[in-house]
Formats: sequence, structure tokens, C-alpha cells
Amino acid sequence: DTAVSQTPKYLVTQMGNDKSIKCEQNLGHDTMYWYKQDSKKFLKIMFSYNNKELIINETVPNRFSPKSPDKAHLNLHINSLELGDSAVYFCASSPSLTGRYGYTFGSGTRLTVV
Amino acid sequence: AQTVTQSQPEMSVQEAETVTLSCTYDTSENNYYLFWYKQPPSRQMILVIRQEAYKQQNATENRFSVNFQKAAKSFSLKISDSQLGDTAMYFCAFIQSNFGNEKLTFGTGTRLTIIP
Repeated sequence: DTAVSQTPKYLVTQMGNDKSIKCEQNLGHDTMYWYKQDSKKFLKIMFSYNNKELIINETVPNRFSPKSPDKAHLNLHINSLELGDSAVYFCASSPSLTGRYGYTFGSGTRLTVV
Repeated sequence: AQTVTQSQPEMSVQEAETVTLSCTYDTSENNYYLFWYKQPPSRQMILVIRQEAYKQQNATENRFSVNFQKAAKSFSLKISDSQLGDTAMYFCAFIQSNFGNEKLTFGTGTRLTIIP
């Protein structure tokens, strides 16, 4: 029983395409996140949602649009993909906004834009 | 803004030895939490250990322990009796929990290799 599951695990696509990454958690957590890990392994938050409400929206290009149909799901849609979007994208969840117990991460989606 | 610094990009140690990974952070707040995450080659992010800033006692989890020095804003991870499975990237992370909309901020990571 995977706690935070992301699909797909790998995604290879051409520049200009639109793609989505799906995330689901079965932990009953209220808060979900998207992080981007670049080629140097640096992890940076992109978005957070709490009970379907957008809480954090970092300086991310508006080609990236998160959607949370319910508190167990947080999907990431990316329009007009660029070479610089190539990275590993992690979904994560935590019991509450405070994050005091840390986050539970999915296994990541490696996006390669060619 | 909070920052987390890991000054050791890479480390290596012989199997069964003890290794310490360094982490410093910067904050003006008093209420926060610190974490170490492990990322093995499988890419999964695994929570190793957690420390609450208001607790003076250092956290321990089996072979993993921390040295938390609040005044110095230092949070190092000690791995005892290192095993081959400890080979991974290790990330120090920080979150303050005053306002309910905080985010987990990561350091740049330390790549640890355990040598057989």
C-alpha cells in the first residue's frame, strides 16, 4: 500500500507539449505539495494545497497549474514544456499545514523534455 | 527567509565506521522543526530523523542520532556502524511552524558513500 503515489514515474516528451503528473495519498493527510528537484539535486517547493485550497504558490511560471479535486489528490499540469522543465518532480503530503512531523514523499516523476 | 546550509557536498567512509554530516540553518524564529532525509539511488525521499527545536534532548533513531546546538543553529547527523545501505544523498531540512503556511526548506545535500 503506497502512501503517496505518483504517475508516471518517467515521462519523456518533446518541447511544446502539454503533460500532466498525477499524485494520490492514502494517509488521510490534509496538505499536499509539489517539489522540483533539479539536476544538482536541489529541492524547491512549487505549490502547496490544504483541503483543496491553494496555500503556497512560489515563483513558478504560469505554465504550471496544480489542481486538487479533493484532499487526497494533487495533480500538476504543465503547458508548453521547455527544456528547462526537465527535472524530477516530487509530490508530498503532511498531516497539517504546520508540517511539524515532516512530509511523506512520493517516489518522484523524472520529466525529460527533448 | 530561512536558509539551510550543508557544507559537505560529498563524503565517504568505510563500512562499520561512524560518520557525521553537518548542517547549519538561519532563522530568527524560536519555534521550528528540523529533519534529515535520505535519498538513495532509488530516488525515494525517506525521513530519517526529526528534532523539535524546543526540546534540548537530541533525537535518536537506532544508528542515527543528531547533535542539535540551538544557539549555534547547528544540526548534525551522526551515523554509527555505517552500512552499505546508508549510501545515499542526505538532506537537512527546516520548517518553522508559527503561521500554518510554512514550507519545508532543504539544504543542498551531502552525497554519502559507504565503502565496503
